[in-house]
Amino acid sequence: GNSVTQMEGPVTLSEEAFLTINCTYTATGYPSLFWYVQYPGEGLQLLLKATKADDKGSNKGFEATYRKETTSFHLEKGSVQVSDSAVYFCALIRGSARQLTFGSGTQLTVLP
Amino acid sequence: NAGVTQTPKFRILKIGQSMTLQCAQDMNHNYMYWYRQDPGMGLKLIYYSVGAGITDKGEVPNGYNVSRSTTEDFPLRLELAAPSQTSVYFCASSWREVKEHGYTFGSGTRLTVV
Repeated sequence: GNSVTQMEGPVTLSEEAFLTINCTYTATGYPSLFWYVQYPGEGLQLLLKATKADDKGSNKGFEATYRKETTSFHLEKGSVQVSDSAVYFCALIRGSARQLTFGSGTQLTVLP
Repeated sequence: NAGVTQTPKFRILKIGQSMTLQCAQDMNHNYMYWYRQDPGMGLKLIYYSVGAGITDKGEVPNGYNVSRSTTEDFPLRLELAAPSQTSVYFCASSWREVKEHGYTFGSGTRLTVV
């Protein structure tokens, strides 16, 4: 079946550091891939997405590239801010499926 | 647009009590979902609906019931609350083309069963 594996957290960085959160997936065919962000006490918000191989999703300085050859969709940001502290979820959906498959989430804390 | 609205935001129940968590969306989305999120854990799908009058079980449906009488509303019912149902509950909705758009989430209901 489909699955998403995220790097285990928590991740703690200093402000302006480079961020990578790894996400790999298992799915047949060509799934769509998503990153969601959950700020403290809030629901999940769509951060970025990619619907086909080699697509790059980007938003708010975050980027992720859909790599079919490595089945990966790693989230990156060149310079994190304290306000980026949140839980980040990678997710996928394949074909005509009706539900997203989520990873377990990665807690990010950015220190001033 | 309000998006996905969940009520209440917080609730404390006693064991054996019942309650309904409300979810409404104003985006005319076809699909709606209920998830629970336990501390430090990911999301688990409870129930989902692909349209009015159509519901289906997710990964963890036991102890819950749903109905979808309109496109806008998708309430989640807990009949006999148990401590294991202490969690944060999220409602989400989507267009039929989930692959293109993903979900829109509500802000959650934090439920404690004591």
